[in-house]
Amino acid sequence: NAGVMQNPRHLVRRRGQEARLRCSPMKGHSHVYWYRQLPEEGLKFMVYLQKENIIDESGMPKERFSAEFPKEGPSILRIQQVVRGDSAAYFCASSTYESYTFGSGTRLTVV
Amino acid sequence: GESVGLHLPTLSVQEGDNSIINCAYSNSASDYFIWYKQESGKGPQFIIDIRSNMDKRQGQRVTVLLNKTVKHLSLQIAATQPGDSAVYFCAENLGGGADGLTFGKGTHLIIQP
Repeated sequence: NAGVMQNPRHLVRRRGQEARLRCSPMKGHSHVYWYRQLPEEGLKFMVYLQKENIIDESGMPKERFSAEFPKEGPSILRIQQVVRGDSAAYFCASSTYESYTFGSGTRLTVV
Repeated sequence: GESVGLHLPTLSVQEGDNSIINCAYSNSASDYFIWYKQESGKGPQFIIDIRSNMDKRQGQRVTVLLNKTVKHLSLQIAATQPGDSAVYFCAENLGGGADGLTFGKGTHLIIQP
């Protein structure tokens, strides 16, 4: 079991470009969560998805951010027209009932 | 969890001593709590968890204590080792697996040789 796989590990984007972050959950896990972590801070919940469904997106910014978890393939967190304030580490976690496992994260730098 | 601040609290201990890391949570409805360890450049790593119907749970070199009266959680690490140096976060969940975790601000544990 390879665990939760996130790619890329590091992503650099210029202001105004799009960022796509991918997350493959652990085998057998059907719940995916995305979190954002700013330097020297804890993780902040963004969105919770199951296959083909967004269950809770209360932590997602209202504009430019979207997430999906298709029937086949990884979950995708998309950030359109990135700004410098989007620079952060983005972590994905997958779970069964209350057993969360985190990936190693994608570090997004907007220049 | 606690509101997030700009600077992480730091706890410095001598190698071999015991460490106690504290966390206050805000939601009295939370019924599941987890401690995570995060090393530089890595994702959070599960350490130990506890449900609200318990007040103590022990693992290997770690103990979690839960005081629901004052909404306080602590992580005790026995005989700290250099590899214990990391940022430690508490996280709470309302239960049922349906909600994401709410993380506290974290404590940076530094092990002095």
